Amino acid sequence: EVQLVESGGGLVQPGGSLRLSCAASGFTFSNYWMSWVRQAPGKGLEWVANIKQDGSEKYYVDSVKGRFTMSRDNTKKLLFLQMNSLRAEDTAVYYCAREAEVPPALSYFDYWGQGALVTVS
Amino acid sequence: QSALTQPASVSGSPGQSITISCTGTSSDVGSYNLVSWYQQHPGKAPKLLIFEGTKRPSGVSDRFSGSKSGNTASLTVSGLQAEDEADYYCCSFAGRVVFGGGTKLTVL
Repeated sequence: EVQLVESGGGLVQPGGSLRLSCAASGFTFSNYWMSWVRQAPGKGLEWVANIKQDGSEKYYVDSVKGRFTMSRDNTKKLLFLQMNSLRAEDTAVYYCAREAEVPPALSYFDYWGQGALVTVS
Repeated sequence: QSALTQPASVSGSPGQSITISCTGTSSDVGSYNLVSWYQQHPGKAPKLLIFEGTKRPSGVSDRFSGSKSGNTASLTVSGLQAEDEADYYCCSFAGRVVFGGGTKLTVL
């Protein structure tokens, strides 16, 4: 069974840092692009970043470029999101999501974690 | 990249059908069948309903169907049931990943 379990969320002051983790199980982690998607309270889904299978390519939404860094450890089946210079508008539930094993332009999110709440205040 | 455009809300009575639209551009929604759809109940993670515009994952009810015309993709829910009341999001991976603003479906 595919499982994605986020951890590391919490309350942080503006300008502070936090690192989210996502533990993957039930599939060959190193075969998949992975993403972080967030949802501010009462708002819609927003894609944040994704990372290629071997970590050689990473993409970010403009609003987090230069502040957030995504990485992965394929040996430990872990995904990370290092968040620096946090702002109030980064307050959201952050989901770890697996991208389907298809060419990137055809992709979609086939599995999601339960989410981790990050509150910047 | 701008978000895809969805109606904020739709509603229908049990047994009826509703359609949720998702409007983009020729660079995203209009490109092949790249749109996926997700259902999200309050306090829960999103769930994949439709991928590649029209395909359903195993386990998703055939009451959910996807289609596309030009730069607009659509999700149709037929035979509405109380459990269908949720938020629905479209998504495109063309270029960068972009979601629609979400549509709240109310079952009257």
